[in-house]
Formats: sequence, C-alpha cells, structure tokens
Amino acid sequence: DIQMTQSPSSLSASVGDRVTITCRASQNINTYLNWYQQKPGKAPKVLIYAASNLQSGVPSRFSGIGSGTDFTLTISSLQPEDFATYYCQQSYSSPLYTFGQGTKLEIK
Amino acid sequence: QVQLQQSGPGLVKPSQTLSLTCAISGDSVSSYSAAWIWIRQSPSRGLEWLGRTYYRSKWYNDYAVSVKSRITINPDTSKNQFSLQLKSVTPDDTAVYYCARASPLFDSGPTSIYGLDVWGQGTTVTVSS
Repeated sequence: DIQMTQSPSSLSASVGDRVTITCRASQNINTYLNWYQQKPGKAPKVLIYAASNLQSGVPSRFSGIGSGTDFTLTISSLQPEDFATYYCQQSYSSPLYTFGQGTKLEIK
Repeated sequence: QVQLQQSGPGLVKPSQTLSLTCAISGDSVSSYSAAWIWIRQSPSRGLEWLGRTYYRSKWYNDYAVSVKSRITINPDTSKNQFSLQLKSVTPDDTAVYYCARASPLFDSGPTSIYGLDVWGQGTTVTVSS
C-alpha cells in the first residue's frame, strides 16, 4: 500500500504569512496527488489536483508543486478563512484515494 | 451543479449492518467518467477510503482491503443513487461517513488523474448498544 506522510502535523501562523505544507509518498506516484482543505463540521474541498493545478474557484494564493514522492502546498499570504486542516491524497494505485494524516493550520 | 445528499441512521448496534444512501443530482450514477465513492473519517483512522462503484459498459466495484469482507456498494439507476452496506459493525466503525464523486480533474490523452470534487454532507454513525 502507498503511505502518505504530511509534515508538519500542525502549524501556527499569522494572517499574511507564507505557509508551506509537505507531503511524501512511500513510492513514486508521478503527479497523481491532490490537496484538500477541510473546515470543522464540513466535508473536504479539493484545492489542487494533479500536484499543481488549481481547482476552479480556488484563490490563486494556493499553489502546489511536486512529482514522484515529494510534494508541497503553499499558501502565499494567509487569510482568516484559510485556517483549516489540509490533506494530501494520492490516486495512483490501490488502495485508491489514500490520504495523508492532515496538517492543522491554526492562528498564532 | 452536482449535489450529493446522504441519508441513513446515525446509530447502529454492534454486529448489525450499517446502511447509508447517497442520492445524486446533476449527474448520473451511470456516468462514463465518474466513480462513486464512500469514505469515512475518525480520529483514529483519519480519512479512509472504503470503496467505489462505477460504470464503464458494465458495473465495477473496488473495496479497501480493511473492509473487503464486510462491505457492499451498490448503484441504483432507477433512483440515481448509490448505497453503502457494512456488515457486522463494531465500535471501531464509528465515524463520519461521506459519499463523494471522483472525476478526472486532469485528463490528457492516456493520463487521467482523479480527484474527489463533490462530497455529501457527511453522516455521523455511532456503533453502540
């Protein structure tokens, strides 16, 4: 099975900060990597697909990069509505749609 | 606009069967490009993919190894919905259950990268006597 490992598990930052979250796959997944944002009591929402493509309607302050085993999600200038939990997810091989453990982004 | 509406009980007794339904509007369960997914989320397991059903000239199902002996996901074309049944539940199956649509968000020639672009509202299921 492909394991997805995110770091850090939690992060404190201030509005306006630049934040980076990393995700590592246990084997090569090419660019079969998506990023999601989840707010309390809500379902996850896709932000980035195929490692670097911004989903329609998602602000351009979100960006993603990576290929193979190492990926990053960057928020260029944190806004109050960005405080949430972020997950990476692979769709390369079974078990499909494996998620990372999440990174909780909190207000400093 | 595609929407998924979940229904089903929030409390299930141990050893019984958990049953949830996901009604689709704005798309078809028989779509040739989408797959229909069940996922659950708990503090101990995080986000866990349970399985999928999809139609590509015939119906296919894939299930997570962790639940493969207990799970069934069925499409219902007459009602444009799909369902989850999880047998012989234990307290470890307590979680928020989500249905979702997987779509080819990146589609370039032979490469299609699927993502979960539409989600149901979630159903909190507690397994307790």
